[in-house]
Formats: sequence, C-alpha cells, structure tokens
Amino acid sequence: AQRVTQPEKLLSVFKGAPVELKCNYSYSGSPELFWYVQYSRQRLQLLLRHISRESIKGFTADLNKGETSFHLKKPFAQEEDSAMYYCALRGGGSNYKLTFGKGTLLTVNP
Amino acid sequence: DAEITQSPRHKITETGRQVTLACHQTWNHNNMFWYRQDLGHGLRLIHYSYGVHDTNKGEVSDGYSVSRSNTEDLPLTLESAASSQTSVYFCASSGGLSNSPLHFGNGTRLTVT
Repeated sequence: AQRVTQPEKLLSVFKGAPVELKCNYSYSGSPELFWYVQYSRQRLQLLLRHISRESIKGFTADLNKGETSFHLKKPFAQEEDSAMYYCALRGGGSNYKLTFGKGTLLTVNP
Repeated sequence: DAEITQSPRHKITETGRQVTLACHQTWNHNNMFWYRQDLGHGLRLIHYSYGVHDTNKGEVSDGYSVSRSNTEDLPLTLESAASSQTSVYFCASSGGLSNSPLHFGNGTRLTVT
C-alpha cells in the first residue's frame, strides 16, 4: 500500500522567511514523488517532481529514501507562495495513479 | 492548446437523484482519474481509467461509477446522491510515461441537499 503523510495542515510564515513543508511517504518499492500546488481559485498544477531535480519558483525538494521524506523547501518565502500544497506519490511500473497527502495550507504574511 | 474541462462548475442536487459530472480532455491521454477534495482529507481517488473500456475503483468508489467509451471523456455518475458526497470533484489526465504529471480540470463543486 502507498501512503503520503503531510503532518502540518496549516503553516504560516512571514515574507522573506525560510519555509519547509514536510512530506513523508510509505511505499515498499521505488516511488516517484511530486509536489502539486493549488492557488486560490485555480486548478491544481504540478510544482515539481523528484526525478527532475529541478527548482521551480525557488522551491526545491530532495527525495530522502532513508527517511522516506520529500520535504519542500524555499529559502525566502513570498506572499504569492500562499497556497495549498499537496505531496503525491506514484508507485512504479504501469501504476499511473497518484496518492495524495492531505495537504498543507501555506500562508505567507507581509 | 490541449486542455481538460469539467462541467458543470457548480451543481446543486437533492438526495437520491442521479448526477453525472462531465470530464473532457484534448491531450489524447490514455490515463484519466476522478478525485474528490475534502477539507481534512485532501484528494482521494474515486475511479480511474487507463484506456477505452478500462475502468478501475479507487479508494472511495462506493456510490460512484464511470465509463470510458472514448479517449476524451470519463463521466462520473453518482447513482443516488447522498449528503456525504457534497464535495469538490476534480478530473485529471496523464500521459503514458511513468513520470508524466497529472493535468487537472477546474473542478466541479457539488452540493447534495
């Protein structure tokens, strides 16, 4: 079974402060991990995926297989980062469905 | 541009009625999914399809059904709507590569009174 845990429902930081959204997963094989973001009144969209090892809008996430974590980080939060963030996992092979965490609502205060 | 559209955007229905939510994608994706989004539960998978005439149950499939008669459409039917099915429903699609991202629709807000 695959499971994604986002321990924080709400996270509030000030503009310019570092932010870390936590994500832990449970999966017996080699998972693919993603972060999706939903800005107010917009559809969910892909933020980044671990396989690409990319930085999008200043966000990065590193897959730590030892700790089964895929935390999302940004060194200096901006007000426009305020959104709902979902961590998601896909099992390998021909399993294309994503299992999502419950989400973390990030608020960046001015 | 390719897109995925859901209709209606908002729907109010009464308990016991049958309701169908539409999802149409022009990405030519084989994989399509229906999720519901609820506060405190995040996104939960209802049904999914990996191609025409293929349908599979997700983790919260009770009371829902889907059919896939072509590549573009995956309608979601609530057989007999219940108040517990009040939610925001998202349709998504993805390509055949294992790291292909999901493309989401704008969602349908369903209220069952």
